[in-house]
Amino acid sequence: NAGVIQTPRHKVTGKGQEATLWCEPISGHSAVFWYRQTIVQGLEFLTYFRNQAPIDDSGMPKERFSAQMPNQSHSTLKIQSTQPQDSAVYLCASSNRDWGGVEQYFGPGTRLTVL
Amino acid sequence: GDSVTQKEGLVTLTEGLPVMLNCTYQTIYSNAFLFWYVHYLNESPRLLLKSSTDNKRTEHQGFHATLHKSSSSFHLQKSSAQLSDSALYYCALNTEGADRLTFGKGTQLIIQP
Repeated sequence: NAGVIQTPRHKVTGKGQEATLWCEPISGHSAVFWYRQTIVQGLEFLTYFRNQAPIDDSGMPKERFSAQMPNQSHSTLKIQSTQPQDSAVYLCASSNRDWGGVEQYFGPGTRLTVL
Repeated sequence: GDSVTQKEGLVTLTEGLPVMLNCTYQTIYSNAFLFWYVHYLNESPRLLLKSSTDNKRTEHQGFHATLHKSSSSFHLQKSSAQLSDSALYYCALNTEGADRLTFGKGTQLIIQP
């Protein structure tokens, strides 16, 4: 079990450029979550998928952020026209329901720096 | 909606002293699962403790926490801090039927020699 895989680990973009972040969840997990982590805001929920279907995107900034899950083995988070305030660590997590509560398994994150 | 409060953003302690990180939560649901995640620098956040049983102490890797539903609390404790405990700690809540975890803002724990 390789755990949740995120690529790239680091990405530097110029203001106004596009950034695409990739996540490969743990095989067999039915839910995939995206978070943004900053010192000021902590861990902010962005969006999640269950069985590849988008369920809740209430945390996504509406205009420039989008997420997809084209198949069960990967999800992408795309940020168009990146701004310096988008600089953060973007974490992906996956989970599978069991009776004991839903433990989420996190990837190592992608550190996005917008210059 | 559900919420989790971690009132300390930063805790700095000397090695060997006891650790207590506060976590309180709010939910309308009686069936609540509480989690502590730890995030070491350059690693993935990982689960440290979880509990759903009222007044039962849960322990792992020297840390312990007890869920108290009467006070909606799940404080993380350790009797003696080690330098290697320096990390970011998140408290999280999951309620019955929900996929999502609701996270607190996190507490940065720094242990000094």
